[in-house]
Amino acid sequence: GAGVSQSPSNKVTEKGKDVELRCDPISGHTALYWYRQSLGQGLEFLIYFQGNSAPDKSGLPSDRFSAERTGGSVSTLTIQRTQQEDSAVYLCASRRLAGGLGGELFFGEGSRLTVL
Amino acid sequence: SQQGEEDPQALSIQEGENATMNCSYKTSINNLQWYRQNSGRGLVHLILIRSNEREKHSGRLRVTLDTSKKSSSLLITASRAADTASYFCASGSARQLTFGSGTQLTVLP
Repeated sequence: GAGVSQSPSNKVTEKGKDVELRCDPISGHTALYWYRQSLGQGLEFLIYFQGNSAPDKSGLPSDRFSAERTGGSVSTLTIQRTQQEDSAVYLCASRRLAGGLGGELFFGEGSRLTVL
Repeated sequence: SQQGEEDPQALSIQEGENATMNCSYKTSINNLQWYRQNSGRGLVHLILIRSNEREKHSGRLRVTLDTSKKSSSLLITASRAADTASYFCASGSARQLTFGSGTQLTVLP
């Protein structure tokens, strides 16, 4: 696609429910990242995918958080038994090549999650 | 802890003035990147400077990098109201690009 697409753009859920956030990276981009941004704060790294594998899951805050990537393309971030502190904007980014010296990330517009 | 930390946290200037934002980082880097985020939007890449470069220009942007001090600065010249946004530096490895907490720039018309 033309850019990184995320859905839903907004999600309001009740505490304890599960949510699934989706990211469609730019076609052909090998590397995919999930970040979390709380209101007025910087970005908190969650997970990195190189193809379909996730060599770095160090940022996932708890075992309620999981992510997968299939076909080297679409990724889903799942939050089980949501808590109010999970409320944030979840940003997805992709990069053309994985590994190497790194390079420009292309970001989606984010999914704003509100847990009541 | 954050790999990159920007200062100031907030900066307010008049249109036409220059804006300078600073970033410090903790570990060795291959490159350092600057991003911009308009309110409620995703981040947009502005410029990348490699560890063997000291200065880089792109339009009204000038970035410097001092690896001995583990610091970088972003200068926006002749600022415009449309430059109002948050600016983040990012550094780290290909696996984990770490962002600072950002500088909120307000350019007053």
